[in-house]
Amino acid sequence: EAQVTQNPRYLITVTGKKLTVTCSQNMNHEYMSWYRQDPGLGLRQIYYSMNVEVTDKGDVPEGYKVSRKEKRNFPLILESPSPNQTSLYFCASSLLQGIHEQYFGPGTRLTVT
Amino acid sequence: QQQVKQSPQSLIVQKGGIPIINCAYENTAFDYFPWYQQFPGKGPALLIAIRPDVSEKKEGRFTISFNKSAKQFSLHIMDSQPGDSATYFCAANKGSGSRLTFGEGTQLTVNP
Repeated sequence: EAQVTQNPRYLITVTGKKLTVTCSQNMNHEYMSWYRQDPGLGLRQIYYSMNVEVTDKGDVPEGYKVSRKEKRNFPLILESPSPNQTSLYFCASSLLQGIHEQYFGPGTRLTVT
Repeated sequence: QQQVKQSPQSLIVQKGGIPIINCAYENTAFDYFPWYQQFPGKGPALLIAIRPDVSEKKEGRFTISFNKSAKQFSLHIMDSQPGDSATYFCAANKGSGSRLTFGEGTQLTVNP
Protein backbone atom coordinates (compact mmCIF):
# COMPACT_ATOMS: atom_id res chain seq x y z
CA GLU A 1 0.00 0.00 0.00
CA ALA A 2 1.34 3.43 -1.00
CA GLN A 3 1.68 5.50 2.11
CA VAL A 4 3.55 8.02 4.22
CA THR A 5 4.21 6.92 7.78
CA GLN A 6 5.14 9.04 10.76
CA ASN A 7 6.29 8.11 14.22
CA PRO A 8 5.41 8.72 16.91
CA ARG A 9 1.77 9.71 16.47
CA TYR A 10 1.63 11.38 19.85
CA LEU A 11 4.45 12.84 21.91
CA ILE A 12 4.55 14.80 25.15
CA THR A 13 7.93 16.16 26.10
CA VAL A 14 9.57 18.87 28.18
CA THR A 15 11.29 22.04 27.10
CA GLY A 16 14.83 21.47 25.86
CA LYS A 17 14.72 17.70 25.43
CA LYS A 18 15.82 16.82 21.92
CA LEU A 19 13.39 14.78 19.86
CA THR A 20 13.07 13.33 16.39
CA VAL A 21 9.89 12.63 14.43
CA THR A 22 10.45 10.10 11.70
CA CYS A 23 8.84 10.13 8.27
CA SER A 24 9.03 7.47 5.62
CA GLN A 25 7.39 7.04 2.20
CA ASN A 26 7.25 3.97 -0.02
CA MET A 27 6.31 5.65 -3.31
CA ASN A 28 9.82 6.53 -4.51
CA HIS A 29 8.90 10.22 -4.39
CA GLU A 30 11.58 12.83 -4.98
CA TYR A 31 9.91 15.59 -2.97
CA MET A 32 9.24 15.49 0.77
CA SER A 33 8.08 18.20 3.11
CA TRP A 34 7.18 18.93 6.72
CA TYR A 35 4.24 21.10 7.77
CA ARG A 36 2.82 22.23 11.05
CA GLN A 37 -0.90 22.79 11.50
CA ASP A 38 -2.18 25.30 14.01
CA PRO A 39 -5.77 26.54 14.46
CA GLY A 40 -6.48 29.57 12.31
CA LEU A 41 -3.09 29.39 10.60
CA GLY A 42 -3.60 26.46 8.27
CA LEU A 43 -0.67 24.35 7.10
CA ARG A 44 2.67 26.10 7.20
CA GLN A 45 5.72 24.56 5.62
CA ILE A 46 8.74 24.02 7.87
CA TYR A 47 11.33 22.42 5.58
CA TYR A 48 11.29 20.60 2.29
CA SER A 49 13.58 18.38 0.27
CA MET A 50 13.69 18.03 -3.48
CA ASN A 51 15.98 15.00 -3.41
CA VAL A 52 18.55 13.15 -1.35
CA GLU A 53 20.94 15.57 0.38
CA VAL A 54 18.94 18.56 -0.91
CA THR A 55 16.93 20.41 1.73
CA ASP A 56 15.67 23.96 2.05
CA LYS A 57 13.77 26.15 4.47
CA GLY A 58 10.05 26.65 4.24
CA ASP A 59 8.06 29.42 5.85
CA VAL A 60 8.66 28.58 9.54
CA PRO A 61 12.03 26.80 9.87
CA GLU A 62 13.23 28.32 13.15
CA GLY A 63 13.87 25.71 15.82
CA TYR A 64 13.79 22.75 13.43
CA LYS A 65 16.32 20.67 11.52
CA VAL A 66 15.90 18.02 8.85
CA SER A 67 18.05 15.59 6.93
CA ARG A 68 17.56 13.53 3.77
CA LYS A 69 20.18 10.80 3.66
CA GLU A 70 17.91 8.30 1.96
CA LYS A 71 15.17 8.94 -0.57
CA ARG A 72 12.44 7.34 1.53
CA ASN A 73 13.18 9.01 4.89
CA PHE A 74 12.91 12.62 6.00
CA PRO A 75 13.16 13.01 9.79
CA LEU A 76 12.26 16.23 11.60
CA ILE A 77 14.54 17.13 14.49
CA LEU A 78 13.78 19.52 17.33
CA GLU A 79 17.09 20.02 19.11
CA SER A 80 15.69 22.13 21.96
CA PRO A 81 11.89 22.09 21.84
CA SER A 82 9.95 25.00 23.28
CA PRO A 83 6.24 25.32 24.15
CA ASN A 84 5.57 27.36 20.99
CA GLN A 85 6.41 24.24 19.00
CA THR A 86 3.38 22.48 20.43
CA SER A 87 1.47 21.64 17.27
CA LEU A 88 0.23 18.99 14.87
CA TYR A 89 2.94 18.00 12.42
CA PHE A 90 2.51 16.44 9.00
CA CYS A 91 5.02 14.92 6.66
CA ALA A 92 4.14 14.86 2.96
CA SER A 93 5.65 13.54 -0.22
CA SER A 94 5.04 13.96 -3.93
CA LEU A 95 6.56 12.79 -7.16
CA LEU A 96 8.13 16.21 -7.74
CA GLN A 97 7.71 19.70 -6.34
CA GLY A 98 4.97 21.74 -7.93
CA ILE A 99 1.66 20.58 -9.34
CA HIS A 100 1.89 16.99 -8.26
CA GLU A 101 -0.45 15.62 -5.61
CA GLN A 102 1.04 15.65 -2.14
CA TYR A 103 0.47 12.59 0.00
CA PHE A 104 0.30 13.31 3.69
CA GLY A 105 1.16 11.15 6.66
CA PRO A 106 -1.30 10.67 9.54
CA GLY A 107 0.22 13.44 11.67
CA THR A 108 2.16 13.70 14.92
CA ARG A 109 0.60 15.56 17.83
CA LEU A 110 3.44 17.16 19.80
CA THR A 111 3.03 18.81 23.18
CA VAL A 112 5.98 20.61 24.76
CA THR A 113 5.55 21.54 28.43
CA GLN B 1 2.33 37.14 5.09
CA GLN B 2 -0.53 34.91 4.05
CA GLN B 3 -0.57 34.66 0.28
CA VAL B 4 -3.81 32.68 0.21
CA LYS B 5 -6.69 33.91 2.35
CA GLN B 6 -9.53 31.48 3.08
CA SER B 7 -13.00 32.08 4.49
CA PRO B 8 -15.03 31.29 6.44
CA GLN B 9 -13.03 29.71 9.26
CA SER B 10 -15.97 27.45 10.11
CA LEU B 11 -19.25 26.59 8.43
CA ILE B 12 -22.30 24.63 9.53
CA VAL B 13 -24.95 23.48 7.04
CA GLN B 14 -27.83 21.05 6.99
CA LYS B 15 -27.71 17.88 4.96
CA GLY B 16 -28.50 18.67 1.34
CA GLY B 17 -27.24 22.24 1.62
CA ILE B 18 -24.54 23.73 -0.60
CA PRO B 19 -21.61 24.97 1.48
CA ILE B 20 -19.31 27.41 -0.29
CA ILE B 21 -15.73 28.03 0.81
CA ASN B 22 -13.87 30.98 -0.65
CA CYS B 23 -10.19 31.70 -1.23
CA ALA B 24 -8.40 34.79 -2.47
CA TYR B 25 -4.81 35.02 -3.59
CA GLU B 26 -2.38 37.84 -4.22
CA ASN B 27 0.30 36.41 -6.46
CA THR B 28 -0.79 36.59 -10.10
CA ALA B 29 1.92 34.07 -10.96
CA PHE B 30 -0.03 31.30 -9.21
CA ASP B 31 -1.29 28.82 -11.77
CA TYR B 32 -2.33 25.72 -9.85
CA PHE B 33 -5.12 25.72 -7.27
CA PRO B 34 -5.85 22.48 -5.39
CA TRP B 35 -8.24 21.79 -2.57
CA TYR B 36 -7.36 19.33 0.18
CA GLN B 37 -9.81 17.58 2.49
CA GLN B 38 -8.86 16.52 6.00
CA PHE B 39 -10.91 14.23 8.23
CA PRO B 40 -10.33 14.25 12.00
CA GLY B 41 -7.21 12.33 12.97
CA LYS B 42 -6.03 12.05 9.36
CA GLY B 43 -3.67 13.89 7.09
CA PRO B 44 -5.04 16.09 4.29
CA ALA B 45 -5.78 14.44 0.95
CA LEU B 46 -6.17 15.98 -2.49
CA LEU B 47 -9.84 16.52 -3.35
CA ILE B 48 -9.87 18.49 -6.60
CA ALA B 49 -7.63 20.97 -8.41
CA ILE B 50 -7.94 23.58 -11.14
CA ARG B 51 -5.67 25.48 -13.50
CA PRO B 52 -6.54 29.11 -14.41
CA ASP B 53 -7.33 28.36 -18.05
CA VAL B 54 -10.80 27.16 -17.04
CA SER B 55 -13.46 28.89 -14.93
CA GLU B 56 -15.04 25.79 -13.43
CA LYS B 57 -14.21 22.18 -12.72
CA LYS B 58 -16.55 19.49 -11.39
CA GLU B 59 -15.75 16.15 -9.84
CA GLY B 60 -18.84 14.43 -8.51
CA ARG B 61 -20.52 16.71 -5.98
CA PHE B 62 -17.49 18.99 -5.69
CA THR B 63 -17.05 22.04 -7.93
CA ILE B 64 -14.29 24.63 -8.08
CA SER B 65 -15.23 28.02 -9.47
CA PHE B 66 -12.34 30.23 -10.55
CA ASN B 67 -12.36 33.99 -11.17
CA LYS B 68 -8.98 35.02 -12.53
CA SER B 69 -9.71 38.75 -12.71
CA ALA B 70 -10.82 38.85 -9.08
CA LYS B 71 -8.02 36.48 -8.00
CA GLN B 72 -10.54 34.31 -6.21
CA PHE B 73 -11.59 30.69 -6.30
CA SER B 74 -14.19 28.76 -4.36
CA LEU B 75 -15.28 25.23 -3.52
CA HIS B 76 -18.95 24.27 -3.74
CA ILE B 77 -20.26 21.00 -2.34
CA MET B 78 -23.57 20.00 -3.87
CA ASP B 79 -26.09 17.95 -1.85
CA SER B 80 -23.77 17.95 1.14
CA GLN B 81 -23.75 14.90 3.41
CA PRO B 82 -22.69 14.37 7.04
CA GLY B 83 -19.74 12.39 5.67
CA ASP B 84 -18.45 15.61 4.07
CA SER B 85 -17.80 17.03 7.54
CA ALA B 86 -14.10 17.79 7.49
CA THR B 87 -11.57 20.58 7.29
CA TYR B 88 -10.97 21.94 3.81
CA PHE B 89 -7.80 23.72 2.70
CA CYS B 90 -7.34 25.68 -0.47
CA ALA B 91 -3.83 26.08 -1.82
CA ALA B 92 -1.92 27.64 -4.67
CA ASN B 93 1.46 27.58 -6.34
CA LYS B 94 3.30 28.65 -9.46
CA GLY B 95 3.36 25.25 -11.08
CA SER B 96 6.30 22.94 -11.52
CA GLY B 97 9.20 23.59 -9.22
CA SER B 98 7.43 25.83 -6.73
CA ARG B 99 6.12 25.29 -3.24
CA LEU B 100 2.45 24.98 -2.34
CA THR B 101 0.95 27.74 -0.14
CA PHE B 102 -2.09 26.74 1.91
CA GLY B 103 -5.01 28.80 3.15
CA GLU B 104 -6.02 28.86 6.80
CA GLY B 105 -8.58 26.06 6.51
CA THR B 106 -12.37 25.83 6.90
CA GLN B 107 -13.98 23.44 9.32
CA LEU B 108 -17.20 22.22 7.73
CA THR B 109 -19.96 20.51 9.69
CA VAL B 110 -22.90 18.99 7.86
CA ASN B 111 -25.75 18.21 10.23
CA PRO B 112 -28.07 15.26 9.50
